[in-house]
Amino acid sequence: DAGVTQSPTHLIKTRGQQVTLRCSPKSGHDTVSWYQQALGQGPQFIFQYYEEEERQRGNFPDRFSGHQFPNYSSELNVNALLLGDSALYLCASSLAEGQPQHFGDGTRLSIL
Amino acid sequence: GENVEQHPSTLSVQEGDSAVIKCTYSDSASNYFPWYKQELGKRPQLIIDIRSNVGEKKDQRIAVTLNKTAKHFSLHITETQPEDSAVYFCAVLPPGRRALTFGSGTRLQVQP
Repeated sequence: DAGVTQSPTHLIKTRGQQVTLRCSPKSGHDTVSWYQQALGQGPQFIFQYYEEEERQRGNFPDRFSGHQFPNYSSELNVNALLLGDSALYLCASSLAEGQPQHFGDGTRLSIL
Repeated sequence: GENVEQHPSTLSVQEGDSAVIKCTYSDSASNYFPWYKQELGKRPQLIIDIRSNVGEKKDQRIAVTLNKTAKHFSLHITETQPEDSAVYFCAVLPPGRRALTFGSGTRLQVQP
């Protein structure tokens, strides 16, 4: 039973570029949440997708956008990258709202 | 919004001793409290969770206690082992929210 998988594992971009990160939820899970984890800090909620719609959003600018596909996989897009966007981006999936969230290994994004 | 405070930020214990990490939260209606363990460069791993209708939950050497009146919950690790060394995060699911609010983390070091 595959857990949450994310790709790529590492990514290096320069300021102003755009990036797309991908996530496949754990088998049977239909809800996907994205978090940003800066070095030495706890994960910060970006947004959550369920039934292909953004259900809730954290305090992140519109440069951060996402999508969920019919197979429940999800993408996180970040435009106009800033140095401060350097972080570990984690995807978590759950069976439903309020159920335990299981994380993937994350994508380490470095902005030069 | 929900505010979660976690203490201590670092904790060093001798192998075999117990470790206790405490979190306080602000919204008394919060109803789900998971704990995650994150080893260096790895995903946050759900190790135990508790819901607001339960005061204590135990899983082998790990236990979580919840005091709803005081709005705090604690992680207890007994008979610590070097492989318990990691960063531990508490989290809270506020009412009406779909995303977890995380504490700032506790770096636990178990000395052999």
